Amino acid sequence: KAGVTQTPRYLIKTRGQQVTLSCSPISGHRSVSWYQQTPGQGLQFLFEYFSETQRNKGNFPGRFSGRQFSNSRSEMNVSTLELGDSALYLCASSTGQASVLSSGNTIYFGEGSWLTVV
Amino acid sequence: GEDVEQSLFLSVREGDSSVINCTYTDSSSTYLYWYKQEPGAGLQLLTYIFSNMDMKQDQRLTVLLNKKDKHLSLRIADTQTGDSAIYFCAERFPGGYQKVTFGTGTKLQVIP
Repeated sequence: KAGVTQTPRYLIKTRGQQVTLSCSPISGHRSVSWYQQTPGQGLQFLFEYFSETQRNKGNFPGRFSGRQFSNSRSEMNVSTLELGDSALYLCASSTGQASVLSSGNTIYFGEGSWLTVV
Repeated sequence: GEDVEQSLFLSVREGDSSVINCTYTDSSSTYLYWYKQEPGAGLQLLTYIFSNMDMKQDQRLTVLLNKKDKHLSLRIADTQTGDSAIYFCAERFPGGYQKVTFGTGTKLQVIP
């Protein structure tokens, strides 16, 4: 079973540009969430999508947005890039229904997309 | 509030046991996770524990949860050089949502 796939793995953008990152969850997983990892701030939650609906959002400016498609694949977009947006962006997937008995307890991460803003 | 703390660094000798500690502040968390991150890689799920359990063992890994003190630990038996990585604990909140709050990460260095 393929894991969580993120593309591209590495990219360099200039300030003011916009970027779109893609995430394909594990087959059968309907929940996708995004995290930003930086040396200074650690791992911070961006947002979560379940069945094409955003159901949770972190504390990031409106320049950060996302969406989920009917096949559960997700994209996140960052507009008007700033130097501080340089980070590893991680996508995670699960079945989305956590409970004592369900397999939704497990959340799996992709390898991430390394974004450098110059 | 949401605040998960870990010590930044741990050094052990190969073959010894490693114990990585984590404290959290939100008692409503439902699941607590341990992830491993190697240089340049994503997060690898190691294990997780439900908040009504106090211990979980999985091969060389033992997770202990003290809910009263909001303290979580990960013990790695017979630590190997391949265990060198950063370890993150994370807590998940009720509602079935996938949002987790991560700790600061503990860098484990295994000395041959």
